[in-house]
Amino acid sequence: DAGVIQSPRHEVTEMGQEVTLRCKPISGHNSLFWYRQTMMRGLELLIYFNNNVPIDDSGMPEDRFSAKMPNASFSTLKIQPSEPRDSAVYFCASSLVTGPYYEQYFGPGTRLTVT
Amino acid sequence: AQTVTQSQPEMSVQEAETVTLSCTYDTSESDYYLFWYKQPPSRQMILVIRQEAYKQQNATENRFSVNFQKAAKSFSLKISDSQLGDAAMYFCAYSGGATNKLIFGTGTLLAVQP
Repeated sequence: DAGVIQSPRHEVTEMGQEVTLRCKPISGHNSLFWYRQTMMRGLELLIYFNNNVPIDDSGMPEDRFSAKMPNASFSTLKIQPSEPRDSAVYFCASSLVTGPYYEQYFGPGTRLTVT
Repeated sequence: AQTVTQSQPEMSVQEAETVTLSCTYDTSESDYYLFWYKQPPSRQMILVIRQEAYKQQNATENRFSVNFQKAAKSFSLKISDSQLGDAAMYFCAYSGGATNKLIFGTGTLLAVQP
């Protein structure tokens, strides 16, 4: 299996622009997670989906952030409008099913820079 | 709310020596899992080892082992025979309840000296 695939790997954009990050989970995995990593806040969960349904979005920082999972093989995280404080590495992870026993497999991350 | 604390921002070890990374956590849940993840400069998150809270036996994976002290809410990682490839950021993480969302500590940057 190719593992979790994220695109783009790097994104540089100007403040105010819309940014869309993409994730393809491992085939057959039912849970998908979006994490953000910054120096100030470390690794934090933004949102997770189970069977394509958003379960917990309490980590989404504000209304400028939105996430969708239209089908089992694709998810997007959108920031509109982007701000310099959104600069971070965004990870997508997937697991077979929901439940702490099941390992999460992380993608390589997208490094976002907002100037 | 659950919290995970790593009090060692940086550690250093000589190649072939043993090093222990510390982690404490706080939770009111009885059923949970603890993890150590490794993040090398490539930034890929790699699961190193996992411990189920209901198991008294400490988990081991080759050169990696944990010291799980449930009453003290402590979960340290021991790396034996350290290798240059072990140099990375190490994150302690907690997952509990009905979901497997991970709560991470702030990380420990491990340097391995040749």
